[in-house]
Amino acid sequence: EPEVTQTPSHQVTQMGQEVILRCVPISNHLYFYWYRQILGQKVEFLVSFYNNEISEKSEIFDDQFSVERPDGSNFTLKIRSTKLEDSAMYFCASGLGAGDQPQHFGDGTRLSIL
Amino acid sequence: RKEVEQDPGPFNVPEGATVAFNCTYSNSASQSFFWYRQDCRKEPKLLMSVYSSGNEDGRFTAQLNRASQYISLLIRDSKLSDSATYLCVVGGYGGATNKLIFGTGTLLAVQP
Repeated sequence: EPEVTQTPSHQVTQMGQEVILRCVPISNHLYFYWYRQILGQKVEFLVSFYNNEISEKSEIFDDQFSVERPDGSNFTLKIRSTKLEDSAMYFCASGLGAGDQPQHFGDGTRLSIL
Repeated sequence: RKEVEQDPGPFNVPEGATVAFNCTYSNSASQSFFWYRQDCRKEPKLLMSVYSSGNEDGRFTAQLNRASQYISLLIRDSKLSDSATYLCVVGGYGGATNKLIFGTGTLLAVQP
């Protein structure tokens, strides 16, 4: 069964540093997403991406965050200057269609900011 | 009122038991509904989509009541491997978005 893959599985970074989280969505999917889950809390939407542009973003997704699909397969999330509160599990997801289609999640990147 | 609300549990049940989880959502214009399963520190995995007509997949039955804005999941003949957090998830929230809104999850512990 095709799956969403994410790298790295764990990233440890000093506060203020830039991080790039990488994802390879399922190949025939058209919609791409980033979510995050702070330890002990619920999964929260960050951003959705379709047709090479951001289609929606949450309040969490401020100017420190950016997404990119640099080629036909990768989908990246960049955090420009990390803060302690960015420590969380970051999940990439992809879906075939719009809101009525389920989204399939990668196994996540655990981001630890020191 | 929370966007998606679930009883956090834990639900401690013996193997073979039947257990039911409930969930409510606040926006009546929501378009799609799912149950995901999440093991400790792992990614959410789609368990099933939920339709107004109800749907069944083996030991799992999901039901949607749009009038009451209520979603349920029934697990029959519980197995040890069913132990996980069950996430109620709503999509197309408010009708104009693709994002998924997650509940906090209900923890199920199946005991031998």
